[in-house]
Amino acid sequence: NAGVMQNPRHLVRRRGQEARLRCSPMKGHSHVYWYRQLPEEGLKFMVYLQKENIIDESGMPKERFSAEFPKEGPSILRIQQVVRGDSAAYFCASSPVSSSAFGAYNEQFFGPGTRLTVL
Amino acid sequence: GENVEQHPSTLSVQEGDSAVIKCTYSDSASNYFPWYKQELGKGPQLIIDIRSNVGEKKDQRIAVTLNKTAKHFSLHITETQPEDSAVYFCAASRYNNNDMRFGAGTRLTVKP
Repeated sequence: NAGVMQNPRHLVRRRGQEARLRCSPMKGHSHVYWYRQLPEEGLKFMVYLQKENIIDESGMPKERFSAEFPKEGPSILRIQQVVRGDSAAYFCASSPVSSSAFGAYNEQFFGPGTRLTVL
Repeated sequence: GENVEQHPSTLSVQEGDSAVIKCTYSDSASNYFPWYKQELGKGPQLIIDIRSNVGEKKDQRIAVTLNKTAKHFSLHITETQPEDSAVYFCAASRYNNNDMRFGAGTRLTVKP
């Protein structure tokens, strides 16, 4: 079972360009999360999606950032008109919805990340 | 919302010694607490997790303890090896709530 896949692994953009980051979840996983990590810092939640639905985008900036998880194909995190402050590692995680007597819980499995550099 | 604090930010131990990393959380409704290991240039890897119905869980050299009353949980690594060197993150979330909050991370260095 392949893990979470992200591409590209490294992306360089000039200010004002668009960045598209792709994430293919693990087989059988229908939930995708995007996180941003600045150097020497922790992971900051951005958005949580299920197929064709954005469930929680409370961590994503309202402007320039958007995310989707279509019925077919990978999840896409899109950053328009990138600025230098967008330079970071962006990680995608996926989870199944596993049930137990205590309710559904969300083990999240991370991809290798996309390192975005804005020149 | 949930706030997770993690200490220490850096930890250096001698090979064979034990390492302990501690986290506190603010949301008393949180009931799922995973730990991730992140090596340089890679994504975080889930190494162990604990749910609120247990107080301790062990997997070989790694153990996690949870004190729900005090709202803190800890990662214990025994007989450390150089390959344990990495950044470790704790996290907390509720069941049925996918808003997982991460600590700021602990950089562990195991000296041979």
